[in-house]
Amino acid sequence: QSVLTQPPSVSEAPRQRVTISCSGSSSNIGNNAVNWYQQLPGKAPKLLIYYDDLLPSGVSDRFSGSKSGTSASLAISGLQSEDEADYFCAAWDDRLIGYVFGTGTKVTVL
Amino acid sequence: EVQLVESGGGLVQPGGSLRLSCVVSESTFSVYEMNWVRQAPGKGLEWVSFISTSGDTIHYADSVKGRFTISRDNTKKSLYLQMNNLRAEDTAVYYCTTDTPKKGFDIWGQGTMVTVSS
Repeated sequence: QSVLTQPPSVSEAPRQRVTISCSGSSSNIGNNAVNWYQQLPGKAPKLLIYYDDLLPSGVSDRFSGSKSGTSASLAISGLQSEDEADYFCAAWDDRLIGYVFGTGTKVTVL
Repeated sequence: EVQLVESGGGLVQPGGSLRLSCVVSESTFSVYEMNWVRQAPGKGLEWVSFISTSGDTIHYADSVKGRFTISRDNTKKSLYLQMNNLRAEDTAVYYCTTDTPKKGFDIWGQGTMVTVSS
């Protein structure tokens, strides 16, 4: 059962910007780093954003992350067809003593 | 580049057991904390278990506690997941991942499919 809440889907035209929200609580997002993962169809997930807003080497700077209180966001600017994927947020949960994932968001490029 | 390769998945009857393995390409396997993460067909990601570099710290999701056991052999650069008393709801692709401080699950294997069905 996912503890972090994301919108099921977002869609936008090419070259536009989309934002995906991730809502949690004080025991997870409010007190720990948030990471974001991209899962292309039929593939394993890939780390996209770590420690709230940092990009791993090789990840396009069209992706950005932010966090405020118990919520986090992932933004994709200059949307491209290759960005069509599922996106998941995740964080450590101090109360559950384990990691929790978001419900996942499917991004569609119109 | 570090690579993770899982194996051991398959079809098993409810109540049965399976042991998953994950071999890491890097000789520095011992410096990585590790996790198992699973994904049921058409569903989202679910964290399963964590193990520290030496194996002295282990955590499980409530859904598998008491049935699954995570372990590692640093000499063999391998991570394991012993799964007992399997249930239909354990059906999923199981991924092993490295766990780097601040980065979380930064490297993933390709996954191995576990199907629990009679």
